[in-house]
Amino acid sequence: NAGVMQNPRHLVRRRGQEARLRCSPMKGHSHVYWYRQLPEEGLKFMVYLQKENIIDESGMPKERFSAEFPKEGPSILRIQQVVRGDSAAYFCASSLGWDRVFGYTFGSGTRLTVV
Amino acid sequence: ELKVEQNPLFLSMQEGKNYTIYCNYSTTSDRLYWYRQDPGKSLESLFVLLSNGAVKQEGRLMASLDTKARLSTLHITAAVHDLSATYFCAVVTTDKLIFGTGTRLQVFP
Repeated sequence: NAGVMQNPRHLVRRRGQEARLRCSPMKGHSHVYWYRQLPEEGLKFMVYLQKENIIDESGMPKERFSAEFPKEGPSILRIQQVVRGDSAAYFCASSLGWDRVFGYTFGSGTRLTVV
Repeated sequence: ELKVEQNPLFLSMQEGKNYTIYCNYSTTSDRLYWYRQDPGKSLESLFVLLSNGAVKQEGRLMASLDTKARLSTLHITAAVHDLSATYFCAVVTTDKLIFGTGTRLQVFP
């Protein structure tokens, strides 16, 4: 079991470019969560998705950010027209949804640097 | 809106000493997790606490949960350098995890 796979591990973008971050959940997991961690801070919830549905996007900035989890393929977090303030580590987690014990498994994260 | 607060934010302690990290949360929840994060790394799950009075122990770490007080503690016994890391508590609300501010622990000789 490969766990939660995120790619790329590191991503450098110039201001104004687009960033696409990918997350493949653990096998059998249909719930995906995205978190952002600014340097020296905690993890902030961004969005919760199930296959083809956004369940909770209360933590997503209203502009430039979008997320999807299609029927086939990984979940994508897309940031358009990146700015320096978007530089952060972005973590994805997945879960079965109903398993209270094992809960959430986190990926290794994507570290986005905007130059 | 659920708020999760940890204290202290930073803890520097000598090897062999004991200390406790506190996690307070503002609304009811049926699950609380503790995670460890090393610099530049992902999160490692340490404990999941599911009920009032739950206590879990692993090595030098022990976690407990008081749902009535909305308080969890992570107790460190006889600290060693390898425990140096940032520790987060996280509470479940509407099926998502909300994280505390984190406690950065440094253990020195």
